[in-house]
This record gives sequence, structure tokens and C-alpha cells, in this order.
Amino acid sequence: ILNVEQSPQSLHVQEGDSTNFTCSFPSSNFYALHWYRWETAKSPEALFVMTLNGDEKKKGRISATLNTKEGYSYLYIKGSQPEDSATYLCAFSNQGGKLIFGQGTELSVKP
Amino acid sequence: NAGVMQNPRHLVRRRGQEARLRCSPMKGHSHVYWYRQLPEEGLKFMVYLQKENIIDESGMPKERFSAEFPKEGPSILRIQQVVRGDSAAYFCASSPGGKLLQWELSYNEQFFGPGTRLTVL
Repeated sequence: ILNVEQSPQSLHVQEGDSTNFTCSFPSSNFYALHWYRWETAKSPEALFVMTLNGDEKKKGRISATLNTKEGYSYLYIKGSQPEDSATYLCAFSNQGGKLIFGQGTELSVKP
Repeated sequence: NAGVMQNPRHLVRRRGQEARLRCSPMKGHSHVYWYRQLPEEGLKFMVYLQKENIIDESGMPKERFSAEFPKEGPSILRIQQVVRGDSAAYFCASSPGGKLLQWELSYNEQFFGPGTRLTVL
């Protein structure tokens, strides 16, 4: 059974704080790690697809790192804004493309 | 450039009825994935289809559930004789097609639709 774990489950920060969350996944038979951002009442929106050990990706104030040997990825948000409030999902992909999702980290940013 | 479309957005069925959920992938996409989110749970993979073929149905319940992606038209997820436990949000995602190797599929970004919320009374 493939398990993807995310922590923390929820996070409340003040506007301007920087924050990070963790995604743990099986280190064997790894192909790709996907990060999604999911706002309430909207569709999950892809942030990053990461494939190589040591990968670092950045989009604006959001960045992610990947360690495939130990099976974890970190997502960082620098200077959080209220519009960053969403659930952040990671998903592990092995051969064939199906995504195995974690439970998500629910981020709430207060002005 | 329309995104992934799903309809209906909300569907109410009584126990024993059939539910049909439709997914139109993004233009040019020939791979469709269906995921289900049960109450208080995360997104769970159900089935992966390419045009006219089911590639991976390892996440589909063995009975009452079926999926198709015909040559023309949307992908359909069909649930026969619905029960209360089928109440969930059903999402489809599409990704670009082409003749990809199995391992290349893992790298493909999947674009999600808005979901269909099924309520079984």
C-alpha cells in the first residue's frame, strides 16, 4: 500500500509570515511528485511537478524541494498573503501516471 | 481555451437510481483520470482512460461502477444502483496525450475539473 503523508494537517499564520509544510512518500519506485493548490469551491491547480532528487522549483513566493532518497518534499511560502489561503496537496506518481494524494495541509493566512 | 468541464456540478439521486457523470477534457488532451473524494477523506484515484481504452481501473469499486471514454464525446463515469456511501465529490483530470511511455505519464501535469458533487438520498 502506497501512503503519502502531509504535515501539518492545518496551519494558521499571520500575513507576512513565511511557512513550510512537509510531504512524505515512498522512496522506492519513485517517478514524480506533484504539488497542487486547492482553493475552496475551485479545482485543484498544479503548482509543480518534480522528478529529480535535489530538484528545487519556484513560482513567485512559493518554492519546493525534493529528496527522493529519503522520500520527502517541502513546500515553502515566503511572506504569506491572505490569497495564499488554500489546501496544499502533494501527490506521488509511480509508473503509469495515476496520482496518490496526501490528505493535504490547510493553510489559513490572517490579514 | 476552456479548461476541463464536468457536468452536472451537483447531482442528487435516490438509492437504487443510476448516476452519470460527464467529463470533457481540455482541448487536445486524450488522457482522462477520475478521482473521488469521500467526506473527510482525500482524493483517491479511481480509473485512468485513454480514448476508447481503460488503462488502469485499479481504484474502481468492483461492482456498480464503470467508466468509458469514447472516440467522440466526453468521458462518462457511471454508477448503477447508487447507495448512500457513493455520496462524494467526483473529479476528473486530463493530461496531454500522444504516444508516451509509461514512465513519461508520471511527469504529465494533470488539469482538474471543478468536480461533480453526488448526493444520494
